[in-house]
Amino acid sequence: AQTVTQSQPEMSVQEAETVTLSCTYDTSESDYYLFWYKQPPSRQMILVIRQEAYKQQNATENRFSVNFQKAAKSFSLKISDSQLGDAAMYFCASYYNYGQNFVFGPGTRLSVLP
Amino acid sequence: EAQVTQNPRYLITVTGKKLTVTCSQNMNHEYMSWYRQDPGLGLRQIYYSMNVEVTDKGDVPEGYKVSRKEKRNFPLILESPSPNQTSLYFCASSPTGFGIETQYFGPGTRLLVL
Repeated sequence: AQTVTQSQPEMSVQEAETVTLSCTYDTSESDYYLFWYKQPPSRQMILVIRQEAYKQQNATENRFSVNFQKAAKSFSLKISDSQLGDAAMYFCASYYNYGQNFVFGPGTRLSVLP
Repeated sequence: EAQVTQNPRYLITVTGKKLTVTCSQNMNHEYMSWYRQDPGLGLRQIYYSMNVEVTDKGDVPEGYKVSRKEKRNFPLILESPSPNQTSLYFCASSPTGFGIETQYFGPGTRLLVL
């Protein structure tokens, strides 16, 4: 069974600064995907970034990037130049094609301080 | 506009009174899924469907039923709701269910069982 752990229930960052959210996962599969989702107060789930496990290169999307350490089963999210609109709950998730089920972590609530 | 819709958005009910939460997508997606979100637990998958008449259990299926008679609809049925099913529910869809694809989430349904 897959598990996803986010050890930081809450974090805060000053506007324009950089913050890193941690995520570790456990899977015995070789073909899997990892995701970060953002959930603002509206409760809408928004995909931030995704990573294919077979790709060694870390994914980036504008101010969002990941540090994917496959051997350590670590998948952290770095947010650069933090903005007030980045304040949200962030969920790390894993998925493997055989089984077709997503597993989410418990979430990290990020506050952005002006 | 491509979207996943859920109804109702809010629901208060009493223990034992059968209810159905509807989910519909207009993107001709094959894969659909239901999640529940609880504080400190993140999102947990209840059921998923790879196509019409093909459904399978996720991590927390007890107390829930689903059906997939049409490609666009994937209702969640609680035949005898209990207070521990009070939660925020999300429906989601993606083209074929492979991890590389973006998963589109509905706006959520907040359920309170008294």
